[in-house]
Amino acid sequence: SAVISQKPSRDICQRGTSLTIQCQVDSQVTMMFWYRQQPGQSLTLIATANQGSEATYESGFVIDKFPISRPNLTFSTLTVSNMSPEDSSIYLCSVRTVRTGAGEQYFGPGTRLTVT
Amino acid sequence: DAKTTQPNSMESNEEEPVHLPCNHSTISGTDYIHWYRQLPSQGPEYVIHGLTSNVNNRMASLAIAEDRKSSTLILHRATLRDAAVYYCILNTNAGKSTFGDGTTLTVKP
Repeated sequence: SAVISQKPSRDICQRGTSLTIQCQVDSQVTMMFWYRQQPGQSLTLIATANQGSEATYESGFVIDKFPISRPNLTFSTLTVSNMSPEDSSIYLCSVRTVRTGAGEQYFGPGTRLTVT
Repeated sequence: DAKTTQPNSMESNEEEPVHLPCNHSTISGTDYIHWYRQLPSQGPEYVIHGLTSNVNNRMASLAIAEDRKSSTLILHRATLRDAAVYYCILNTNAGKSTFGDGTTLTVKP
């Protein structure tokens, strides 16, 4: 298993500013992901965070808006840049300990972001 | 990515079994079927997964159709703490998972 912590747990930000969310895992993991969950909606995958290289973004998400870092096997950051009210969501970090389809996925508690 | 289809909502009485269905007609031979649930104000948590055979663990059972185009999550005795959104997803060997809309389970006392 893996225990994931995220900082901050919540924040209220002004439009036009940026927020960096940190994700820390208690063990080395193979894969790390960032999801967004808008109010009342399901989870949408933003990107896969790759250690030591650029993240792999899903359709509709770009690096300029959501830069991601993953310097090692236990830590990643997601920045939400030039925020607008439409970015108000819960952002979740997730990991898998193995790369195969059998691998369980673990989720952090989420960061609740409100943009005013 | 393979897509799953689930009913939007289901209701159950406390202490009764619950069968949560999921259709995944475009599943490929190497996709694993995973179930997660999300309690209010929490991140999703793993429930169970399988490939071809039925699976049991302490939380639930997973029944997989012979053609693998559908599956059913079975909660043997629903409790109030089981009220959550249940997601059925397909995990590929490429690693990433795509979440559908899930089923909101309401448990009545």
